[in-house]
Amino acid sequence: AQRVTQPEKLLSVFKGAPVELKCNYSYSGSPELFWYVQYSRQRLQLLLRHISRESIKGFTADLNKGETSFHLKKPFAQEEDSAMYYCAPSNTGKLIFGQGTTLQVKP
Amino acid sequence: EAGVTQFPSHSVIEKGQTVTLRCDPISGHDNLYWYRRVMGKEIKFLLHFVKESKQDESGMPNNRFLAERTGGTYSTLKVQPAELEDSGVYFCASSRNFPGELFFGEGSRLTVL
Repeated sequence: AQRVTQPEKLLSVFKGAPVELKCNYSYSGSPELFWYVQYSRQRLQLLLRHISRESIKGFTADLNKGETSFHLKKPFAQEEDSAMYYCAPSNTGKLIFGQGTTLQVKP
Repeated sequence: EAGVTQFPSHSVIEKGQTVTLRCDPISGHDNLYWYRRVMGKEIKFLLHFVKESKQDESGMPNNRFLAERTGGTYSTLKVQPAELEDSGVYFCASSRNFPGELFFGEGSRLTVL
């Protein structure tokens, strides 16, 4: 069965600290992997996708096929990074969302 | 360019009543998706339209839910009759390409009393 696990419901860090949001997936085939983000009072939006290998707002995500993980990282968290983050693999066009991790960056 | 719009933003109905949610995708986006988030749980896929055709409706919970996309433009999701467990936020998303970036609406919150 297709499954996405984001083990942390809440991650709280201080501004300037490194942050890593974990994502593990169980998926048949070779899914494409995405991170979506929802800031307060905004709609869900794409943060980054594995295939583009971009760094968006300082975030990067490395695909580890051996561990089936796609953790999201940022070396220095900012207060404006506070949001809900969703890991979402897809291999048929439809996204399968994890339960989400709330990132809280304290001043 | 207008984003994905959903109506209503919030609907409160009684168990057994009918509710119809509407989604207007971004113009030119052939792919339209419905998702929902039930309280405390993850965002779950409901179905996927390509133009007016249902490409994948594997996530539709039961036959009380009916989705349509006549003419391949806007889509409606009807719940009839509504049950308490249908309460949640229903999201619509659209994309130009398949697979591609999904653009989400703000969601329609449904409360069934």
